[in-house]
Amino acid sequence: DGGITQSPKYLFRKEGQNVTLSCEQNLNHDAMYWYRQDPGQGLRLIYYSQIVNDFQKGDIAEGYSVSREKKESFPLTVTSAQKNPTAFYLCASNNRAPTEAFFGQGTRLTVV
Amino acid sequence: DQQVKQNSPSLSVQEGRISILNCDYTNSMFDYFLWYKKYPAEGPTFLISISSIKDKNEDGRFTVFLNKSAKHLSLHIVPSQPGDSAVYFCAARGYTGNQFYFGTGTSLTVIP
Repeated sequence: DGGITQSPKYLFRKEGQNVTLSCEQNLNHDAMYWYRQDPGQGLRLIYYSQIVNDFQKGDIAEGYSVSREKKESFPLTVTSAQKNPTAFYLCASNNRAPTEAFFGQGTRLTVV
Repeated sequence: DQQVKQNSPSLSVQEGRISILNCDYTNSMFDYFLWYKKYPAEGPTFLISISSIKDKNEDGRFTVFLNKSAKHLSLHIVPSQPGDSAVYFCAARGYTGNQFYFGTGTSLTVIP
């Protein structure tokens, strides 16, 4: 079964700690994305990567970091510099041609 | 600055009637538009898309209309069913890149 897997589904973090969210896809897609969703808001782009070993900042990259060492993996690290990290995080992927992006099931991060 | 806007946060429709969800955009360089459906605590699922060279695309009960001069697109669901109750996001893709810009979503409730 092809798809995008995000783990864990729920994550709790203490203030001041870094945490890494996993995103794996077996769709052989070139591009991968991280979005953040807050209540009453749309999906805001954090980072995206169009090819292995390359990534670009989105609209709200501050306090986040990513890596793209393998085509199928695009982990997101939420650092202690992120002022308001509690949110629902979504990973997506697609091919570079104009096609739809496929989303994972999301990770709910709560800072306690 | 929000490049894709959904000005109606919510919409209620009787079962069997038509649901019309609207979306406006500001960037004339967008060349591909999509609608996604999202349930709480899940990732969005792709519904239907339209290229900027077309003005209409149909898929079963779902039709998307694009008015480029007005920078406006709409999603029509006919007939509406209770299972259509969800949040609907419109999204647009830039011509020069592979970023997707999302609206803030419209919560559709179909009343049985």
